[in-house]
Amino acid sequence: TQLLEQSPQFLSIQEGENLTVYCNSSSVFSSLQWYRQEPGEGPVLLVTVVTGGEVKKLKRLTFQFGDARKDSSLHITAAQPGDTGLYLCAGPETSGSRLTFGEGTQLTVNP
Amino acid sequence: DAGITQSPRHKVTETGTPVTLRCHQTENHRYMYWYRQDPGHGLRLIHYSYGVKDTDKGEVSDGYSVSRSKTEDFLLTLESATSSQTSVYFCATEPGTSRNNEQFFGPGTRLTVL
Repeated sequence: TQLLEQSPQFLSIQEGENLTVYCNSSSVFSSLQWYRQEPGEGPVLLVTVVTGGEVKKLKRLTFQFGDARKDSSLHITAAQPGDTGLYLCAGPETSGSRLTFGEGTQLTVNP
Repeated sequence: DAGITQSPRHKVTETGTPVTLRCHQTENHRYMYWYRQDPGHGLRLIHYSYGVKDTDKGEVSDGYSVSRSKTEDFLLTLESATSSQTSVYFCATEPGTSRNNEQFFGPGTRLTVL
């Protein structure tokens, strides 16, 4: 059973559009991380959200942690082709426990 | 960038042969992990290490063994490779100083077992 479910699995949009991807669980997580993976490379950490309701911004990317710490979302404004990649969420159920990864959202931004 | 390298980056081998993948880190991170990534399954943990000579199994450890004789090196061995072990393998490290378990990944090894 996948503890972290990501949606959508695939997303193809045009440059300049906005999008939101989701990471949901029935379990409470002490924190959630978002990674981006480009073809042929390993995942790279983008951000960690820790507090319920927390919002973090990274340029055009906005990350939010749900109030109950069971879900998170990633919103991209005015997407660019360079945003193309696999977006993974991950989290430890309790502080210090091993990470659980979602299966990811494959985003393609067409020029 | 945590200075993590993996070798080889690509390997093709035959069923039944032993294979060893190497992960090397220069950041003195305490924890090291081996994952495999397959379509429809995401990243799955094979084995991990919480210190020199201290290792434990992950969720898909059957058919794999690991060793960590030095802080900087973590080896993954397939004793007798099978076609089901065709995958992309990622090594990751974690400093062990954060409560959030943030990990840093290597570039991956693409293994094909014929």
